[in-house]
Amino acid sequence: GAGVSQSPRYKVAKRGQDVALRCDPISGHVSLFWYQQALGQGPEFLTYFQNEAQLDKSGLPSDRFFAERPEGSVSTLKIQRTQQEDSAVYLCASSRSRAGANVLTFGAGSRLTVL
Amino acid sequence: AQSVSQHNHHVILSEAASLELGCNYSYGGTVNLFWYVQYPGQHLQLLLKYFSGDPLVKGIKGFEAEFIKSKFSFNLRKPSVQWSDTAEYFCAVNGLAGNMLTFGGGTRLMVKP
Repeated sequence: GAGVSQSPRYKVAKRGQDVALRCDPISGHVSLFWYQQALGQGPEFLTYFQNEAQLDKSGLPSDRFFAERPEGSVSTLKIQRTQQEDSAVYLCASSRSRAGANVLTFGAGSRLTVL
Repeated sequence: AQSVSQHNHHVILSEAASLELGCNYSYGGTVNLFWYVQYPGQHLQLLLKYFSGDPLVKGIKGFEAEFIKSKFSFNLRKPSVQWSDTAEYFCAVNGLAGNMLTFGGGTRLMVKP
């Protein structure tokens, strides 16, 4: 597609529920990133994929967070047993080649509210 | 570890005023530097970037930034702001040894008409 597409745009979950957030990167983009943006703050790195390989997951805040990109295109970020502190906008970004070498294109984000 | 500091959290200017937003980073190696902008209701967009070469880089909409290596700074400037520049501005750095882009906390700019 023309841009990075994320769904759902808005998600309200009760504490303890599992959620799944989807990212469709730009077709052919090798690198895919997930970021978490809390209210009033800058995006914080969560994890990075190069094709289907998850090369860096150092930013995932707990083992409740899990990301996958099984075929090297669409990616899913899953949060198990959601907590109130998980409320944030989750941003997906992709780039044409390996990380560090070029510019990230961001999606509109998925806003998660945990009640 | 790399980090990015933006000194001004909120800036209010009148149209035609000059703008300078500060950005400092901490990283010992070679870096790529970026400014992203988020207009109200829109997603993050690239404003300008520095990879190498001339340390004064020009971006879209009349914005420019200067990389000063000795000061670990990459300040954003615009000589005359417009109401349509109202947005949140994020400085970001990517150390070439790593994969991730590290963002500052952002500066929210409001331009009064």
